[in-house]
Amino acid sequence: GNSVTQMEGPVTLSEEAFLTINCTYTATGYPSLFWYVQYPGEGLQLLLKATKADDKGSNKGFEATYRKETTSFHLEKGSVQVSDSAVYFCALRRRTSYGKLTFGQGTILTVHP
Amino acid sequence: SAVISQKPSRDICQRGTSLTIQCQVDSQVTMMFWYRQQPGQSLTLIATANQGSEATYESGFVIDKFPISRPNLTFSTLTVSNMSPEDSSIYLCSVEWGGASGELFFGEGSRLTVL
Repeated sequence: GNSVTQMEGPVTLSEEAFLTINCTYTATGYPSLFWYVQYPGEGLQLLLKATKADDKGSNKGFEATYRKETTSFHLEKGSVQVSDSAVYFCALRRRTSYGKLTFGQGTILTVHP
Repeated sequence: SAVISQKPSRDICQRGTSLTIQCQVDSQVTMMFWYRQQPGQSLTLIATANQGSEATYESGFVIDKFPISRPNLTFSTLTVSNMSPEDSSIYLCSVEWGGASGELFFGEGSRLTVL
């Protein structure tokens, strides 16, 4: 079956530090890959996505590249801000599975000034 | 994109009672989806709600426990029946936008605490 594994958290960084949150997946075929973010007290928001191998999704300074050879979709940001403190979820969706996302367990990120 | 509103945003419930969560979307959509996020855990799909037909439930979820209504293309309800403390979770409504490679938009969720 499909599964998503994220690096365990929580992750604590100082402002302007480099961020990597690892995500690997198991799936048949060519799933679409997503990163969602959940800010404190808010709902889940799409951060970025990639729909095929070697695609790079980017948004708000965050990037992730769809690596089929390593079945990975690691999230990176060159310089984090306090406002990036949130829970980050990696997820995949098979093309024929409408509405069904398989989520990773989530990684809590805390950024200190 | 889609704007999704859920009510209630949070509630505290007594064991054995039932609560209905409402989800309103600002556009007509074919399918709506209900997810559960248990404390400290990831999200799990409960069921898919299509207008005019019975909801389709994922493994581990049953209609008697989580009855769903879908009276039109912009609205759905999820009822959590005969609640126990294990049902304390955030329940999220979502819709898909953008076709085969589309993304899911989520409501802000309904945080239920069962005492």
